[in-house]
Amino acid sequence: NAGVTQTPKFRVLKTGQSMTLLCAQDMNHEYMYWYRQDPGMGLRLIHYSVGEGTTAKGEVPDGYNVSRLKKQNFLLGLESAAPSQTSVYFCASTPGLAVGANVLTFGAGSRLTVL
Amino acid sequence: TQLLEQSPQFLSIQEGENLTVYCNSSSVFSSLQWYRQEPGEGPVLLVTVVTGGEVKKLKRLTFQFGDARKDSSLHITAAQPGDTGLYLCALEYSGGGADGLTFGKGTHLIIQP
Repeated sequence: NAGVTQTPKFRVLKTGQSMTLLCAQDMNHEYMYWYRQDPGMGLRLIHYSVGEGTTAKGEVPDGYNVSRLKKQNFLLGLESAAPSQTSVYFCASTPGLAVGANVLTFGAGSRLTVL
Repeated sequence: TQLLEQSPQFLSIQEGENLTVYCNSSSVFSSLQWYRQEPGEGPVLLVTVVTGGEVKKLKRLTFQFGDARKDSSLHITAAQPGDTGLYLCALEYSGGGADGLTFGKGTHLIIQP
């Protein structure tokens, strides 16, 4: 009954370091999303995936890369972290896009601080 | 470009009072969802509305979808400290693709005992 699991929950990086955030869902959902949440900015879409092996850019993709090698996992990578990437990152998934049925299940978030 | 506004941005009231939160779009949308987010957690769905004029109730929460399908409101009756959190509206626009929902910036609600 895990739903969407994000790891790690907290991470502190120095500028220029790289890291990967892992999102795993056990609901067999096709669609997965990475958002960042900043004060006063709401949730902004970084990248998303419509199925295994596919990825697409969202509203704020610069500085991030993603991969979806397995249906249940969606990885978010930062190749060279910058202080502007300090944020709380949320992964979400949904089974489909039928109107009114496009309901997102979110993970608990990963808080990243870049010094 | 669709514009989505939520108001108020912040609201602090006493336990037992009533309140209303608004979500307004510059464009007609297909459906709307309301989420609630507690500190340290991800947003959790409260309700989905898909029909213009629709009203849904969830205990002390009443959700309304405007007739013109460009606005929605969340009304809480006799607010409790447990209602404290960030309330987000999320819109699905006609013809919207797989990039999912458009989220408002949220209303931070604090209910003081």
